[in-house]
Amino acid sequence: GENVEQHPSTLSVQEGDSAVIKCTYSDSASNYFPWYKQELGKGPQLIIDIRSNVGEKKDQRIAVTLNKTAKHFSLHITETQPEDSAVYFCAARGGSQGNLIFGKGTKLSVKP
Amino acid sequence: DGGITQSPKYLFRKEGQNVTLSCEQNLNHDAMYWYRQDPGQGLRLIYYSQIVNDFQKGDIAEGYSVSREKKESFPLTVTSAQKNPTAFYLCASSIVIQREFNNEQFFGPGTRLTVL
Repeated sequence: GENVEQHPSTLSVQEGDSAVIKCTYSDSASNYFPWYKQELGKGPQLIIDIRSNVGEKKDQRIAVTLNKTAKHFSLHITETQPEDSAVYFCAARGGSQGNLIFGKGTKLSVKP
Repeated sequence: DGGITQSPKYLFRKEGQNVTLSCEQNLNHDAMYWYRQDPGQGLRLIYYSQIVNDFQKGDIAEGYSVSREKKESFPLTVTSAQKNPTAFYLCASSIVIQREFNNEQFFGPGTRLTVL
């Protein structure tokens, strides 16, 4: 079945710097890759997603890139702000049922 | 307001007791899911349901049970057979599950269960 690995587990940056979180997946048939942001004590919220027929997608300060050959995808946050501090999860849609398989999360801290 | 609601937000249970967590959605989604979240473990799938009166085991179904009698409701029961039930439980829904279609999952606010 699908396996998703996410790195790093924690990331600390200065306000205004960029942050990059990377994920790898194992199932070459996976076709959908969402990223979720989870604030403390709340449920995850979708922030951006990408499908396997696209290499890059951008939404203001957030971008996601996908390399199908290498089976990895990355989240890029530019001009980070303290409110970007949260736990970020990547996921890949794999398996015969199409369920999402989640990475273990990255705790991002943005220092003012 | 459209969305997913979970209740209660905090739940305490004595060892040996069964407890039921509520999940309701008014998004008219066919598919619903239950995940368990532990520190450093990410989200692990407990059960999912593609349609009313149908549900499937996820990766960690032992000690849990579900029902799907109505499209908008997918309650999770944590039974006394679950060895380590203290965790944060998240419910989610999506339009459908199938790989060929959009599968964006919307999450509820979660229920934190503590076994005393």
